[in-house]
Amino acid sequence: QVQLQESGPGLVKPSETLTVTCTVSGDYVSSHFWTWIRQPPGKGLEWIGHISDYGETNYNPSLKSRVTLSFDTSKRFSLKLSSVTTADTAVYYCARAIGSGRELDYWGQGTLIAVSS
Amino acid sequence: DVVMTQSPLSLPVTLGQPASISCRSSQSLVYSDGNTYLNWFQQRPGQSPRRLIYKVSNRDSGVPDRFSGSGSGTDFTLKISRVEAEDVGVYYCMQALQTRGFGQGTRLDIK
Repeated sequence: QVQLQESGPGLVKPSETLTVTCTVSGDYVSSHFWTWIRQPPGKGLEWIGHISDYGETNYNPSLKSRVTLSFDTSKRFSLKLSSVTTADTAVYYCARAIGSGRELDYWGQGTLIAVSS
Repeated sequence: DVVMTQSPLSLPVTLGQPASISCRSSQSLVYSDGNTYLNWFQQRPGQSPRRLIYKVSNRDSGVPDRFSGSGSGTDFTLKISRVEAEDVGVYYCMQALQTRGFGQGTRLDIK
């Protein structure tokens, strides 16, 4: 059974860089695509981007200038979002995507990141 | 950009009655490989999203058969044949033609 678990700092100051990590069990990051989605409190879902099994990235154009996705280990991948503002406060989810990154099948539980001074 | 529009945004339903959610895309979601990558997700209160349907009409393992997806091109529908209490939550469609995008969400609750 594939499971994903996000971890992050909980609180980030404006203008700093937010880093969230996703740990995978039951699979390896060298297989499939790995995706980040976020959800501001009380709002809908926003796709941030994904990284393929061979490291190719695809970002939402609205966030592209501030986002970096990378692999840390064979079981872990990360999201970095720079120059954060209060608008970046959200629950951040990681998910596995199969079918060339087009089918999100397993999701993590999410981690809330608040941006505040 | 492909824009996804769901309706209704709020859906009060009596237990045991059917429910239907519409999702329309601003352009056809048929990909170059012939597949239509339209997914439906359920987000129960306090939980992360769970996929119900992939490629328009394929139900995920463990999803009750009262859930069904249909549609083609730009018009898609999620139907629940008989709503149960555990179906309360927000339902999202998602396209994967280009930059992935979600609909606004439809909140289903019990009347």
